[in-house]
Amino acid sequence: SQQGEEDPQALSIQEGENATMNCSYKTSINNLQWYRQNSGRGLVHLILIRSNEREKHSGRLRVTLDTSKKSSSLLITASRAADTASYFCATDDRAAGNKLTFGGGTRVLVKP
Amino acid sequence: DARVTQTPRHKVTEMGQEVTMRCQPILGHNTVFWYRQTMMQGLELLAYFRNRAPLDDSGMPKDRFSAEMPDATLATLKIQPSEPRDSAVYFCASGFGTVSYNEQFFGPGTRLTVL
Repeated sequence: SQQGEEDPQALSIQEGENATMNCSYKTSINNLQWYRQNSGRGLVHLILIRSNEREKHSGRLRVTLDTSKKSSSLLITASRAADTASYFCATDDRAAGNKLTFGGGTRVLVKP
Repeated sequence: DARVTQTPRHKVTEMGQEVTMRCQPILGHNTVFWYRQTMMQGLELLAYFRNRAPLDDSGMPKDRFSAEMPDATLATLKIQPSEPRDSAVYFCASGFGTVSYNEQFFGPGTRLTVL
């Protein structure tokens, strides 16, 4: 089973709206990362949040981390058509050599 | 600008043939990763190297897959013999430092189709 599981699997919104997606994981982590993948491309790193941080911002992105619930959320504010992509969370499992495990992703469609 | 490159971008081959995928990591990066992405399984880690030494290849079918780093500028992933179930997009990524504390930079991928 995957360490990180994203929810929802797919999301469709209008340009200008906010998009929120969640990631749940099972084991203790050092950090959690979010990546974006445009269709037919490789993944691009968005943001890293450490286990001792609760919230982090980067431009229109806001990430929260709740280690007690083993969950994280990614919020994209004022979405644009260019934000259409799949978004993945990646966690490092301390029990598995700290290598990254990616979730199944959330497909976001931003309609103009 | 620095980026991870992968060749070929697309490969169509017949079952039983050998397939070799190549990756040039970003200069100065000391960790290299091979991932496989399919609709059913998502993104799976196959192997990763630090300073050219294999650290973990537990995600890789050992009987047919092999991964090497002949030098710091080249990583290879070989499948011999290939099977239809190997059809997927294979990504190489590179990074620097401790895996979990640093971002990974992904290449554009090799889309492999095994007939």
